[in-house]
Amino acid sequence: DGGITQSPKYLFRKEGQNVTLSCEQNLNHDAMYWYRQDPGQGLRLIYYSQIVNDFQKGDIAEGYSVSREKKESFPLTVTSAQKNPTAFYLCASSDRGVKNTEAFFGQGTRLTVV
Amino acid sequence: AQKITQTQPGMFVQEKEAVTLDCTYDTSDPSYGLFWYKQPSSGEMIFLIYQGSYDQQNATEGRYSLNFQKARKSANLVISASQLGDSAMYFCAMREVMDSNYQLIWGAGTKLIIKP
Repeated sequence: DGGITQSPKYLFRKEGQNVTLSCEQNLNHDAMYWYRQDPGQGLRLIYYSQIVNDFQKGDIAEGYSVSREKKESFPLTVTSAQKNPTAFYLCASSDRGVKNTEAFFGQGTRLTVV
Repeated sequence: AQKITQTQPGMFVQEKEAVTLDCTYDTSDPSYGLFWYKQPSSGEMIFLIYQGSYDQQNATEGRYSLNFQKARKSANLVISASQLGDSAMYFCAMREVMDSNYQLIWGAGTKLIIKP
C-alpha cells in the first residue's frame, strides 16, 4: 500500500542533543514537507522540498535541518539550537505537478524534551 | 497578513445536526485550491474535500460539502447529519504558487465536538 511512514511515533530528547525524525514515502511524489504543530494550534511549515537535492526554508526553519538525497526520503533533524522542540511533527508529500492534489500525511512524531 | 482565517476556535453540535465550519482566505493567485482536513485526537491528518478556484460547482464528498463563495473569498465546510466520530480538529488550507513553488497555507483550525 502506498503511503507515508514517519518514525518513531514518540521520541524523547535530552537537552543539547540532536535528533532525527524519519519520513519515507512510496507515492512517487516530488514534493515533501515538514510541519510543526503545537497543542491547539495549526500547522507551521519548517522545510519543504520540491525535488531531490533541493529544499527551502519554511516559516520556522531555525534550529532544524533537512536533507533530500532520495525522492522517497526527507529526514528532519532537530538540532540543539532549537530551544523549544517539544511538539508534534508531521511530514507530508504531494504531487508537485498537479495543483489540485491533496497532500498526504504521515502519522506524526511526538517529540518531548526531557 | 493572515491568508487563511478560521474564526471558530471551537464548536459544540448536537449529534445528527448539520455543521458549518467557516473559512475565509486571501490570495492574489487566480489559480488556487482550497482543502479541508480532519485531525482526530490520534494526530493524523485526513483529507476531506477539495475546491479549485475555477470549479463551477461546489465540491461534495459524501456527508461533506463545500460552500464556496468566491466573491466573498469564503470556503465553508458543511457536514450533514453529524456523527460522534466527527469530533476532531478541522483545518482549512489553501494551495497557491509562491516563487514558482506550491505552498500550502493553513488556518488555525476549529475544534468540533459532537454531543450525543
